[in-house]
Amino acid sequence: DGGITQSPKYLFRKEGQNVTLSCEQNLNHDAMYWYRQDPGQGLRLIYYSQIVNDFQKGDIAEGYSVSREKKESFPLTVTSAQKNPTAFYLCASSLSSGRAPDTQYFGPGTRLTVL
Amino acid sequence: QKEVEQDPGPLSVPEGAIVSLNCTYSNSAFQYFMWYRQYSRKGPELLMYTYSSGNKEDGRFTAQVDKSSKYISLFIRDSQPSDSATYLCAILTGGGNKLTFGTGTQLKVEL
Repeated sequence: DGGITQSPKYLFRKEGQNVTLSCEQNLNHDAMYWYRQDPGQGLRLIYYSQIVNDFQKGDIAEGYSVSREKKESFPLTVTSAQKNPTAFYLCASSLSSGRAPDTQYFGPGTRLTVL
Repeated sequence: QKEVEQDPGPLSVPEGAIVSLNCTYSNSAFQYFMWYRQYSRKGPELLMYTYSSGNKEDGRFTAQVDKSSKYISLFIRDSQPSDSATYLCAILTGGGNKLTFGTGTQLKVEL
């Protein structure tokens, strides 16, 4: 059963704490992405990775960090430097075969709330 | 000005109505136009995508692109309560993998 899984579904964090959101895919996709979704703002790209051990900042990378040690995994850490971390976080992946369009498929999301 | 503009709604229609959802964009380099459906508290799922100007049909859904006006539309025929969701347009430059999203339009189909 192929797909993208994200855990946990809901996450609560105290101010000043770092938290890590998990994203795993078994689609054999090369590229993975992290987005943040806020009401009225659509999806905004945080980080993306096109290959293992390499990643690039998106539009709103400040206060976040990622790693890509395995093809199937792309965890996102929300650090205490992120000023307004409460949001719905979405992970996506794509084949990145070089053949356009490189369609992205999304996981179910993690809702992070800062208390 | 945002690169992709989309009316957030909410849009409420009776069951069986034809729904028109629209986006405008500003970047002429955009080449692939996608529509995602997102149910409440779920991840977006890809409905369909188009490349050139014109229409593309998939069941009750029709995607339309007018590159000269930089205007894209999604039509839903015979709308059902199960179509109630947020619809996101997303646009991709040719050869790239960075999607630019609209804010999404919230649709409610009522019995």
